[in-house]
Amino acid sequence: DAGVTQSPTHLIKTRGQQVTLRCSPKSGHDTVSWYQQALGQGPQFIFQYYEEEERQRGNFPDRFSGHQFPNYSSELNVNALLLGDSALYLCASSLGLGLSTEAFFGQGTRLTVV
Amino acid sequence: KQEVTQIPAALSVPEGENLVLNCSFTDSAIYNLQWFRQDPGKGLTSLLLIQSSQREQTSGRLNASLDKSSGRSTLYIAASQPGDSATYLCAAYVRAGSYQLTFGKGTKLSVIP
Repeated sequence: DAGVTQSPTHLIKTRGQQVTLRCSPKSGHDTVSWYQQALGQGPQFIFQYYEEEERQRGNFPDRFSGHQFPNYSSELNVNALLLGDSALYLCASSLGLGLSTEAFFGQGTRLTVV
Repeated sequence: KQEVTQIPAALSVPEGENLVLNCSFTDSAIYNLQWFRQDPGKGLTSLLLIQSSQREQTSGRLNASLDKSSGRSTLYIAASQPGDSATYLCAAYVRAGSYQLTFGKGTKLSVIP
């Protein structure tokens, strides 16, 4: 059973560029959430997608956007990259929007902005 | 606003020792609480999920408890091993209708052989 897979694993971008990160949820899951984890901090919620719609959003600017495809996979896009966007980006998948569901995370994408 | 705090930030123990990691939250109206393990530079591995109606969960050498009235959860690790060395994070679903997990900063555990 494939778990949550993210690509790429590492990425280096220049300030001002745009980046797209990808996530495939665990088999059978239909909900994808994205988190940003700065060094030494806990993950911070960016947004969540269910039925191809953004259902909830954390305290992140509009430069952060996303998409969910009919096969439940998801993309995170970040425009006009800032040095402060350097972080580990984590994707989590779960089943439905029920609060009893367990979240499973991928290995993350390490983004470095120079 | 829900805040999750984990104490201590770092912990070093000799192999074989039993240990407890602490997690506290400010809003007792949490729904679920989940414990994760994170190895350096890696993603999160789910260890235990305690649902709102439960008081504790066990998996192998791990036992997690949840006391909503006091705003606390503990993760008990029995007979620690060097392979247990990692950062342990707790996360809570803030309230019904909110689908985001709020994380603590984690406790970095080192088990010395």
